[in-house]
Amino acid sequence: QVQLVESGGELVKPGGSLRLSCAASGFTFSDYYMSWMRQAPGKGLEWVSYISNNGHTIYYGDSVKGRFTISRDNAKNSLYLQMNNLRAEDTAVYYCARDGGAPGDVWGQGTTVTVSS
Amino acid sequence: QSALTQPASVSGSPGQSITISCTGTSSDVGTYNYVSWYQQHPGKAPKLMIYDVTNRPSGVSNRFSGSKSGNTASLTISGLQAEDEGDYYCSSYTSRNTYVFGTGTTVTVL
Repeated sequence: QVQLVESGGELVKPGGSLRLSCAASGFTFSDYYMSWMRQAPGKGLEWVSYISNNGHTIYYGDSVKGRFTISRDNAKNSLYLQMNNLRAEDTAVYYCARDGGAPGDVWGQGTTVTVSS
Repeated sequence: QSALTQPASVSGSPGQSITISCTGTSSDVGTYNYVSWYQQHPGKAPKLMIYDVTNRPSGVSNRFSGSKSGNTASLTISGLQAEDEGDYYCSSYTSRNTYVFGTGTTVTVL
């Protein structure tokens, strides 16, 4: 079945870096745009970034631009989010999501990133 | 990019209809027919309920419907059921080639 599984979330100090991964299965990964979304504890959803199916088109939300980098490896059916210069306000559950007709027609279960000293 | 504006909470009795509004600007909701709605239950990932303003993904109940007028999109849930309780978020494509979510609405079934 169609599935997205995130990994890589952990506790990291302010200013540190982290790389999230998302493994896709059950569909032709290279056919779809993919997104990262996040949700801070007790807060609403925030769109983070998306990448086109061939990786040539990428956009970021203002709060992460210049610090986060989205990428993908279609041969490995994987999506990535490299997060640098992390701040306390980046603490959130990070979801990877497929864009099929709309962003988030399929979501992963999320991975938790905590930025704290 | 400011979040789209939604009411914090909406409630209704079983069987009733409720409507959740989502107000944006001419840079997002008002210009693009790329408005989506998501349902989220506590501790779970969001689920897509409506896309492109009015379209329902396969498997979503026809009790859920979407519309748009000007800068405001709406989600209507008819025949409200206990399982419809949860948080609902709208989302829109923007003129900056990004997406923006709404502030979220908690639906309570009385």
